[in-house]
Amino acid sequence: GAGVSQTPSNKVTEKGKYVELRCDPISGHTALYWYRQSLGQGPEFLIYFQGTGAADDSGLPNDRFFAVRPEGSVSTLKIQRTERGDSAVYLCASSLIGQGDGELFFGEGSRLTVL
Amino acid sequence: GDSVTQMEGPVTLSEEAFLTINCTYTATGYPSLFWYVQYPGEGLQLLLKATKADDKGSNKGFEATYRKETTSFHLEKGSVQVSDSAVYFCALSDLVGSEKLVFGKGTKLTVNP
Repeated sequence: GAGVSQTPSNKVTEKGKYVELRCDPISGHTALYWYRQSLGQGPEFLIYFQGTGAADDSGLPNDRFFAVRPEGSVSTLKIQRTERGDSAVYLCASSLIGQGDGELFFGEGSRLTVL
Repeated sequence: GDSVTQMEGPVTLSEEAFLTINCTYTATGYPSLFWYVQYPGEGLQLLLKATKADDKGSNKGFEATYRKETTSFHLEKGSVQVSDSAVYFCALSDLVGSEKLVFGKGTKLTVNP
Protein backbone atom coordinates (compact mmCIF):
# COMPACT_ATOMS: atom_id res chain seq x y z
CA GLY A 1 0.00 0.00 0.00
CA ALA A 2 0.92 3.64 -0.18
CA GLY A 3 1.25 4.25 3.53
CA VAL A 4 1.89 2.49 6.82
CA SER A 5 -0.95 0.14 7.60
CA GLN A 6 -1.86 -0.99 11.11
CA THR A 7 -4.36 -3.62 12.17
CA PRO A 8 -6.59 -3.81 14.03
CA SER A 9 -7.55 -0.18 14.28
CA ASN A 10 -9.36 -0.93 17.54
CA LYS A 11 -8.93 -3.78 19.97
CA VAL A 12 -10.86 -4.32 23.19
CA THR A 13 -9.65 -7.10 25.44
CA GLU A 14 -9.91 -8.26 29.00
CA LYS A 15 -7.22 -7.98 31.61
CA GLY A 16 -4.85 -10.94 31.43
CA LYS A 17 -5.40 -11.70 27.75
CA TYR A 18 -2.80 -11.85 24.99
CA VAL A 19 -2.84 -9.29 22.17
CA GLU A 20 -1.07 -8.95 18.83
CA LEU A 21 -0.89 -5.71 16.86
CA ARG A 22 0.31 -5.74 13.27
CA CYS A 23 2.18 -3.14 11.25
CA ASP A 24 2.80 -3.17 7.49
CA PRO A 25 5.36 -0.46 6.65
CA ILE A 26 5.86 1.46 3.44
CA SER A 27 7.43 -0.77 0.81
CA GLY A 28 11.20 -0.37 0.76
CA HIS A 29 11.45 1.16 4.23
CA THR A 30 13.91 -0.92 6.22
CA ALA A 31 13.58 0.97 9.50
CA LEU A 32 10.45 0.35 11.59
CA TYR A 33 9.48 1.91 14.90
CA TRP A 34 6.80 1.26 17.50
CA TYR A 35 5.59 4.07 19.73
CA ARG A 36 2.87 4.17 22.37
CA GLN A 37 0.62 7.15 22.94
CA SER A 38 -1.40 7.35 26.13
CA LEU A 39 -4.30 9.75 26.50
CA GLY A 40 -3.12 13.36 26.66
CA GLN A 41 0.51 12.42 26.07
CA GLY A 42 2.88 12.48 23.14
CA PRO A 43 4.11 9.27 21.54
CA GLU A 44 6.71 7.35 23.55
CA PHE A 45 9.35 5.19 21.89
CA LEU A 46 9.07 1.44 22.40
CA ILE A 47 11.34 -0.37 19.91
CA TYR A 48 13.20 0.14 16.64
CA PHE A 49 13.99 -2.42 13.94
CA GLN A 50 16.63 -2.10 11.27
CA GLY A 51 15.79 -4.91 8.90
CA THR A 52 14.88 -8.04 10.85
CA GLY A 53 16.72 -7.23 14.06
CA ALA A 54 15.70 -5.05 16.96
CA ALA A 55 18.35 -2.32 16.98
CA ASP A 56 16.98 -0.67 20.12
CA ASP A 57 14.32 -2.08 22.44
CA SER A 58 15.07 0.19 25.36
CA GLY A 59 11.54 1.62 25.40
CA LEU A 60 9.70 -1.64 26.03
CA PRO A 61 8.19 -1.19 29.49
CA ASN A 62 8.63 -4.78 30.72
CA ASP A 63 8.98 -8.37 29.54
CA ARG A 64 5.26 -8.67 28.76
CA PHE A 65 5.97 -6.67 25.62
CA PHE A 66 7.73 -8.22 22.65
CA ALA A 67 7.98 -7.37 18.96
CA VAL A 68 9.16 -9.28 15.91
CA ARG A 69 9.89 -8.53 12.28
CA PRO A 70 10.91 -11.92 10.87
CA GLU A 71 11.23 -11.02 7.20
CA GLY A 72 12.22 -7.39 7.53
CA SER A 73 8.85 -6.04 6.49
CA VAL A 74 5.70 -6.66 8.54
CA SER A 75 6.10 -6.35 12.30
CA THR A 76 3.97 -7.65 15.14
CA LEU A 77 3.87 -6.16 18.62
CA LYS A 78 2.87 -8.77 21.17
CA ILE A 79 1.56 -8.03 24.65
CA GLN A 80 1.13 -10.84 27.16
CA ARG A 81 -1.07 -10.79 30.27
CA THR A 82 -2.49 -7.39 29.40
CA GLU A 83 -3.11 -4.87 32.16
CA ARG A 84 -5.45 -1.87 32.25
CA GLY A 85 -2.41 0.41 32.14
CA ASP A 86 -1.55 -0.97 28.70
CA SER A 87 -4.56 0.86 27.25
CA ALA A 88 -3.20 3.32 24.69
CA VAL A 89 -2.82 3.94 20.98
CA TYR A 90 0.08 1.93 19.58
CA LEU A 91 1.72 3.69 16.65
CA CYS A 92 3.92 2.17 14.01
CA ALA A 93 6.22 4.21 11.78
CA SER A 94 8.74 3.47 9.08
CA SER A 95 11.59 5.29 7.36
CA LEU A 96 14.30 4.78 4.77
CA ILE A 97 17.47 3.18 6.03
CA GLY A 98 20.24 5.53 6.98
CA GLN A 99 18.20 8.64 6.35
CA GLY A 100 18.38 9.75 9.96
CA ASP A 101 16.68 13.04 9.28
CA GLY A 102 13.73 12.48 11.57
CA GLU A 103 11.09 11.89 8.94
CA LEU A 104 9.00 9.05 10.15
CA PHE A 105 5.91 7.93 8.28
CA PHE A 106 3.26 6.96 10.79
CA GLY A 107 0.25 4.71 10.56
CA GLU A 108 -3.06 5.70 12.10
CA GLY A 109 -2.45 3.51 15.09
CA SER A 110 -4.09 0.62 16.89
CA ARG A 111 -6.21 1.70 19.84
CA LEU A 112 -5.99 -0.92 22.60
CA THR A 113 -8.48 -0.91 25.45
CA VAL A 114 -7.96 -3.32 28.32
CA LEU A 115 -11.04 -3.78 30.47
CA GLY B 1 17.26 12.38 29.96
CA ASP B 2 16.06 14.28 26.95
CA SER B 3 12.67 15.97 27.18
CA VAL B 4 10.38 18.32 25.29
CA THR B 5 7.95 20.76 26.86
CA GLN B 6 5.30 22.46 24.78
CA MET B 7 2.53 24.84 25.68
CA GLU B 8 -0.64 23.23 26.88
CA GLY B 9 -3.74 23.50 24.82
CA PRO B 10 -6.23 23.58 23.59
CA VAL B 11 -5.67 26.68 21.52
CA THR B 12 -8.65 28.22 19.75
CA LEU B 13 -8.17 30.94 17.14
CA SER B 14 -10.19 32.68 14.51
CA GLU B 15 -9.24 32.30 10.87
CA GLU B 16 -6.37 34.61 9.79
CA ALA B 17 -5.11 35.01 13.36
CA PHE B 18 -1.41 34.70 14.24
CA LEU B 19 -0.32 31.42 15.81
CA THR B 20 2.51 30.68 18.20
CA ILE B 21 2.97 27.32 19.92
CA ASN B 22 5.89 27.36 22.33
CA CYS B 23 8.33 24.46 22.57
CA THR B 24 11.44 24.14 24.73
CA TYR B 25 13.74 21.18 25.08
CA THR B 26 16.35 19.58 27.28
CA ALA B 27 19.02 17.46 25.65
CA THR B 28 22.54 16.32 26.44
CA GLY B 29 23.90 16.77 22.92
CA TYR B 30 22.96 18.82 19.89
CA PRO B 31 19.60 17.45 18.85
CA SER B 32 17.65 17.80 15.68
CA LEU B 33 14.24 19.40 16.25
CA PHE B 34 10.92 18.66 14.61
CA TRP B 35 7.29 19.62 14.48
CA TYR B 36 4.85 16.85 13.64
CA VAL B 37 1.15 17.39 12.97
CA GLN B 38 -1.80 15.05 13.33
CA TYR B 39 -4.91 16.01 11.40
CA PRO B 40 -8.23 14.48 12.48
CA GLY B 41 -8.46 10.84 11.44
CA GLU B 42 -4.90 10.74 10.08
CA GLY B 43 -1.49 9.56 11.22
CA LEU B 44 1.26 11.85 12.46
CA GLN B 45 3.21 13.55 9.70
CA LEU B 46 6.33 15.66 9.65
CA LEU B 47 5.57 19.37 9.31
CA LEU B 48 9.07 20.85 9.48
CA LYS B 49 12.50 20.30 10.96
CA ALA B 50 15.81 21.98 11.83
CA THR B 51 19.05 20.14 12.41
CA LYS B 52 21.37 22.81 13.83
CA ALA B 53 21.35 26.06 15.71
CA ASP B 54 19.81 29.07 13.92
CA ASP B 55 18.31 26.88 11.22
CA LYS B 56 14.76 27.77 10.27
CA GLY B 57 12.37 25.05 9.21
CA SER B 58 9.35 26.01 7.14
CA ASN B 59 6.43 24.34 5.42
CA LYS B 60 2.82 25.22 4.54
CA GLY B 61 3.28 28.74 5.93
CA PHE B 62 4.54 27.44 9.29
CA GLU B 63 8.00 28.36 10.56
CA ALA B 64 10.19 27.46 13.52
CA THR B 65 13.73 28.57 14.34
CA TYR B 66 16.21 26.44 16.28
CA ARG B 67 17.36 28.67 19.16
CA LYS B 68 20.20 27.01 21.04
CA GLU B 69 20.64 29.87 23.51
CA THR B 70 17.06 29.55 24.71
CA THR B 71 16.70 25.82 23.89
CA SER B 72 13.52 26.62 22.02
CA PHE B 73 11.80 25.75 18.74
CA HIS B 74 8.56 27.73 18.72
CA LEU B 75 6.07 27.12 15.92
CA GLU B 76 4.57 30.18 14.20
CA LYS B 77 2.17 30.93 11.40
CA GLY B 78 1.12 34.39 10.35
CA SER B 79 -2.43 33.61 9.27
CA VAL B 80 -4.09 30.34 10.23
CA GLN B 81 -6.82 28.61 8.28
CA VAL B 82 -9.61 26.29 9.35
CA SER B 83 -7.70 23.47 7.67
CA ASP B 84 -4.83 23.97 10.16
CA SER B 85 -6.98 22.54 12.93
CA ALA B 86 -4.96 19.61 14.25
CA VAL B 87 -2.73 18.44 17.09
CA TYR B 88 0.86 19.68 16.88
CA PHE B 89 3.77 17.82 18.46
CA CYS B 90 7.25 19.17 19.05
CA ALA B 91 9.97 16.49 19.05
CA LEU B 92 13.72 16.01 19.17
CA SER B 93 16.21 13.38 18.10
CA ASP B 94 19.52 13.21 19.88
CA LEU B 95 21.00 10.34 17.89
CA VAL B 96 22.66 10.77 14.53
CA GLY B 97 21.14 8.49 11.95
CA SER B 98 18.12 7.61 14.05
CA GLU B 99 14.48 8.51 14.12
CA LYS B 100 14.18 7.66 17.80
CA LEU B 101 12.19 10.72 18.74
CA VAL B 102 11.24 12.28 22.07
CA PHE B 103 7.88 14.01 21.76
CA GLY B 104 6.12 16.72 23.69
CA LYS B 105 2.55 16.17 24.88
CA GLY B 106 0.98 17.88 21.89
CA THR B 107 -1.08 21.03 21.49
CA LYS B 108 -4.54 20.88 19.99
CA LEU B 109 -5.34 23.79 17.70
CA THR B 110 -8.86 24.65 16.61
CA VAL B 111 -9.37 27.37 14.03
CA ASN B 112 -12.88 28.77 13.68
CA PRO B 113 -14.16 30.43 10.51
